[in-house]
Parts: sequence; structure tokens; C-alpha cells
Amino acid sequence: DAGITQSPRHKVTETGTPVTLRCHQTENHRYMYWYRQDPGHGLRLIHYSYGVKDTDKGEVSDGYSVSRSKTEDFLLTLESATSSQTSVYFCAILPDRGSNTEAFFGQGTRLTVV
Amino acid sequence: AQTVTQSQPEMSVQEAETVTLSCTYDTSESDYYLFWYKQPPSRQMILVIRQEAYKQQNATENRFSVNFQKAAKSFSLKISDSQLGDAAMYFCAYRTPNFGNEKLTFGTGTRLTIIP
Repeated sequence: DAGITQSPRHKVTETGTPVTLRCHQTENHRYMYWYRQDPGHGLRLIHYSYGVKDTDKGEVSDGYSVSRSKTEDFLLTLESATSSQTSVYFCAILPDRGSNTEAFFGQGTRLTVV
Repeated sequence: AQTVTQSQPEMSVQEAETVTLSCTYDTSESDYYLFWYKQPPSRQMILVIRQEAYKQQNATENRFSVNFQKAAKSFSLKISDSQLGDAAMYFCAYRTPNFGNEKLTFGTGTRLTIIP
């Protein structure tokens, strides 16, 4: 299995509080992604990174920020959590093109904002 | 922007029968990758099968095969001899070919139920 872990796995937080989710990889892959999964919407891209300190927005980036100061870590921050951000969050890593083209996923983080 | 469409939110099939899940996508590129991922109740994302757009031959992995129609931008998944363990959400995904700035775009998913 690819070395990718998310923390925490579950979190309940109050509206208006900041929250940071961590994604850690041991594969040295260039690309890292944060998705959120909601019923009827599939996986939607929040932010992604194509290298250390190189990040860009996805389709649902409002209310989220990211940082990548090391190859292995990609942090997702909700500056002020809202109930609409209750979701399951997935981190994914993607190797450069070569013999292996598939993405690998973390176990997911279930975030509940009350 | 690339889009991936799965028009069947839910499907069901009798155990041991065959089912086909549909996926269409929109792109102006000629070289890209397509994937089907399975997500069981455990939430784990599991690669089922992949297809390289430059290969005309349809990919096959045991009971899973695809019907890749590049001109029609269609990428359906066929599951033969359905088993209870196949029950899951299935996501179609597209990998952009923009070297150095690649993204993976998903469809909305199809929930597959296996009827014993």
C-alpha cells in the first residue's frame, strides 16, 4: 500500500473555529490533492499542490487554504469552520507519469461542524 | 475545464449477472488517462481499472472490463459474474495530461447494489 496517512480521522468542531487537517506521504510524489466528498457530488477538488510551496485552487476552494512546506506534508486549513464544510475529506497523491499513473488515497477524515 | 459525468446515481444487479456502469467525459486533449475507482462502505478508494487514451485496446482486469470509445468520449465499466463484494460506490476519473500541473477529476459516482 502507498504510504499516505491523514490525521485526524474524525473531528467534531464548532462553527467559527479554525481546523487543520494533515496529509502525510512517504512516497515522495510531486502531486498532492485535497478533495471533499458529499452525497450526490462525488469527490470535488478543493486545492492541490504540484511541489513544495506550489499550490493552486480547485473547484470548491472558498473557505479553505493550504500549505506545503515539505514534500511529504500537505495541510488543509478551514480558517473559520461553517456547517457547510461538514464533509468527508480525502487526501490523494499522484506520481509523475511513468509506469504507475494511478492516484493513492488516504483513509479520509470525517469532519462535523456543529 | 474537464468534466466527468456519471448519469446513473444508482444501479442494481442480480448476483452472478453482468452490469455496465456508464461514464462520459469532456476534453480537448488527445492523451490522458481514465480510471474506475471503487469505494466500499469502509470509505477506502480502490483502483479497479485504468485506461490509457493512446491505447485502442480496452483494458481488462479479471471480471472487470471497460468499453473505451475515444471519439464518443465514453468510458463504461462492465462487471461480469457480479459478486456480493462488488457492492460499492464506483467513481469514474480523468487525469489531465498537463505535465507539471496535473489534476484528477471525478464523476459524481454510481452506487451499485448486488441482489442475492
